[in-house]
Amino acid sequence: GENVEQHPSTLSVQEGDSAVIKCTYSDSASNYFPWYKQELGKRPQLIIDIRSNVGEKKDQRIAVTLNKTAKHFSLHITETQPEDSAVYFCAASLGNTPLVFGKGTRLSVIA
Amino acid sequence: DSGVTQTPKHLITATGQRVTLRCSPRSGDLSVYWYQQSLDQGLQFLIQYYNGEERAKGNILERFSAQQFPDLHSELNLSSLELGDSALYFCASTNRDRVMGNSGANVLTFGAGSRLTVL
Repeated sequence: GENVEQHPSTLSVQEGDSAVIKCTYSDSASNYFPWYKQELGKRPQLIIDIRSNVGEKKDQRIAVTLNKTAKHFSLHITETQPEDSAVYFCAASLGNTPLVFGKGTRLSVIA
Repeated sequence: DSGVTQTPKHLITATGQRVTLRCSPRSGDLSVYWYQQSLDQGLQFLIQYYNGEERAKGNILERFSAQQFPDLHSELNLSSLELGDSALYFCASTNRDRVMGNSGANVLTFGAGSRLTVL
């Protein structure tokens, strides 16, 4: 089955700097790659996703890139703000199979 | 409010006991997923139901079981509880089966979770 590795497990950045979180997946057939943000004590919420027919997608300060050949995808957050502090999870799936999540990255934005 | 409702929000019980967690998916969503999130761990897939039938099974212990009822709500039953079962249990639903615009993507909406503490 699918296996998703996520790095780093923790990340601290200064406010205004960029943050990058990377994930690799094992099943080359996977075609859907979402990113979820989970604030302390809250539910995971989808912040951006990308399908396998697209190499990059951007939404304001966040962007996701996908390299199907290397089987990895990354989340980029620019101009970080304190409210970006949270745990971020990447995931992968094929069709209607259950999402397989990475173990998460705890991002701390230092003001 | 995500539209996915989970009860109870918090539950404290003792080892060896049995509990039931309940989830109501968003209106119209046919699929329900259960995930377990232990301390500092990711989201581990337990089980999926689609329109009342089991669709996929993950790392779910034999002491755990689930079902989805005709009104589409789902229950996760945890028995012979152990200290290690303490975790956040999330339910999620998807509209993938009824929204063509999703292009087959499994977009999950999570409930607020049920925090289980086993003492």
